[in-house]
Amino acid sequence: GQQLNQSPQSMFIQEGEDVSMNCTSSSIFNTWLWYKQDPGEGPVLLIALYKAGELTSNGRLTAQFGITRKDSFLNISASIPSDVGIYFCAGQGPGANNLFFGTGTRLTVIP
Amino acid sequence: EAQVTQNPRYLITVTGKKLTVTCSQNMNHEYMSWYRQDPGLGLRQIYYSMNVEVTDKGDVPEGYKVSRKEKRNFPLILESPSPNQTSLYFCASSYTPSIYEQYFGPGTRLTVT
Repeated sequence: GQQLNQSPQSMFIQEGEDVSMNCTSSSIFNTWLWYKQDPGEGPVLLIALYKAGELTSNGRLTAQFGITRKDSFLNISASIPSDVGIYFCAGQGPGANNLFFGTGTRLTVIP
Repeated sequence: EAQVTQNPRYLITVTGKKLTVTCSQNMNHEYMSWYRQDPGLGLRQIYYSMNVEVTDKGDVPEGYKVSRKEKRNFPLILESPSPNQTSLYFCASSYTPSIYEQYFGPGTRLTVT
């Protein structure tokens, strides 16, 4: 399967700080997605990106679809304790019917 | 409430004993999928189904079977489980094969000894 490299693997930040994480692929994607997984639950979709260069926000979250179509980043501004969890990027390639996921970024917010 | 349900949530079994993990969605979704999640590897797709009676292999299908006889149900079958299938399994569904808006179930933690 396609490899998605997600970094960093983990982050420890103080409440109120901004967070940035990114995802790169060896292949181009038509769609980039960002999910959050809370302990004991399944991933929940945060943001979906459908066009190269697209910048999309969802509250304190902002994500961008890289212009090369091989990367994406997610920013979280003014982090709060409930932002704790694992964040996954995912991509869908041209003509594909399945998603490929990154390995996840585990975020810890220190109050 | 719109949801994806999985049963059981936890299962400990022995090598070679056939098991089935059920998945059901109440959103009339066409597309359903199974993933396994392992530390350091993220989620990897096992099988997916575009619609009733239409299934296809994902990234890691070996050792698994699925069926899609009804739209709402998509069971995952392990005919002869092995320890390397110890993992956290997620079922997901979406309205169409445009799968970006996938809804995930709560997960099934399987241990094979």
